[in-house]
Amino acid sequence: ETGVTQSPTHLIKTRGQQVTLRCSSQSGHNTVSWYQQALGQGPQFIFQYYREEENGRGNFPPRFSGLQFPNYSSELNVNALELDDSALYLCASTLGLAGGRTYEQYFGPGTRLTVT
Amino acid sequence: QKEVEQNSGPLSVPEGAIASLNCTYSDRVSQSFFWYRQYSGKSPELIMSIYSNGDKEDGRFTAQLNKASQYVSLLIRDSQPSDSATYLCAGRESRDDKIIFGKGTRLHILP
Repeated sequence: ETGVTQSPTHLIKTRGQQVTLRCSSQSGHNTVSWYQQALGQGPQFIFQYYREEENGRGNFPPRFSGLQFPNYSSELNVNALELDDSALYLCASTLGLAGGRTYEQYFGPGTRLTVT
Repeated sequence: QKEVEQNSGPLSVPEGAIASLNCTYSDRVSQSFFWYRQYSGKSPELIMSIYSNGDKEDGRFTAQLNKASQYVSLLIRDSQPSDSATYLCAGRESRDDKIIFGKGTRLHILP
């Protein structure tokens, strides 16, 4: 167990809908990263939050957005869901240092999103 | 060249033998490298991190980093059936500090 939790575990949504996924980071970790993992692929970086500010973003459209709260928990929001958004969404927490430099990441169990 | 590249496998290794997993990386990836193990339907689990040239050992696992040749490897000694999983190599991108993953190598340990 990494101490990183995610909710919900599974989710089924319809194309065009919106979804919010949640993550609680490991105690003492101030940095949260979100990844999308399609079947048979490695995790793809969506974005990273350090002390409530986004400090890195991958090649995902603006309909993917996020938040980090003062307790370092985080949300991933996806608007206008598309079929290709079906994937495992992973949250990882890290102890971030000044300037956002991070080291070892620990993953939560993931949220399996299915878009129909 | 992709930032982090791995052979997708599957790699089949007899039980008790040494499994060798390899990964190459581009100039965009910097000093920090990680190996994760992922069982089917589960999230990645950190096995090893390596930051400097050479070998780093932890139990049955040894990570090797060769910066001149831009490759990272993971050796698993005395392979067990429970080692059967997908192994993900990851490195930190130099420009904006995000961690980039390879597609993973599927490893099968044959009883």
